[in-house]
Amino acid sequence: EDQVTQSPEALRLQEGESSSLNCSYTVSGLRGLFWYRQDPGKGPEFLFTLYSAGEEKEKERLKATLTKKESFLHITAPKPEDSATYLCAVQGNAGNNRKLIWGLGTSLAVNP
Amino acid sequence: DTGVSQDPRHKITKRGQNVTFRCDPISEHNRLYWYRQTLGQGPEFLTYFQNEAQLEKSRLLSDRFSAERPKGSFSTLEIQRTEQGDSAMYLCASGSAQETQYFGPGTRLLVL
Repeated sequence: EDQVTQSPEALRLQEGESSSLNCSYTVSGLRGLFWYRQDPGKGPEFLFTLYSAGEEKEKERLKATLTKKESFLHITAPKPEDSATYLCAVQGNAGNNRKLIWGLGTSLAVNP
Repeated sequence: DTGVSQDPRHKITKRGQNVTFRCDPISEHNRLYWYRQTLGQGPEFLTYFQNEAQLEKSRLLSDRFSAERPKGSFSTLEIQRTEQGDSAMYLCASGSAQETQYFGPGTRLLVL
């Protein structure tokens, strides 16, 4: 069964303190792995799509990497406005299935 | 703004009433998805359309839920005879062949 596990559940950082969030997955053939940011009461905001092991993508202070079993979201020198829940999702390539399988997210708080 | 829009943003209803939500996807996207999210959880897949065809529906959905996308553009999600357990954020997302799903702001439903 396709499954996504994110760790840690919650993370508190000081402004400027770099860290990484983990997303471990099992899927019957990976079509794509997705990272989203979600603020309270809002819909998920797309960050990155990764398709194959070894791929990396970067945007401002965020960098996402992918292996065959997990993905990391690296946050460099975070700012308070980076505080949010970060969600990871995978899409398998079985048949015509297009649904995303989601983790529970990592709640990040960045203190000034 | 040409992102995904949802209406209404908030809905309070009494148990047993019917409710209908609307989603307008990004105009060039042919795929449309509905998810449900409760506090502290990742989004849960409900159903998926490609153009006007409903290609997948979660087996977790009861017969009280129905979704339509009559002209392959906007979509509606109806919940009949609402129950308190239906209280959640209902999210709509749209996408194209590149697989990334872009989410709307969500409709928050509270069933009293």
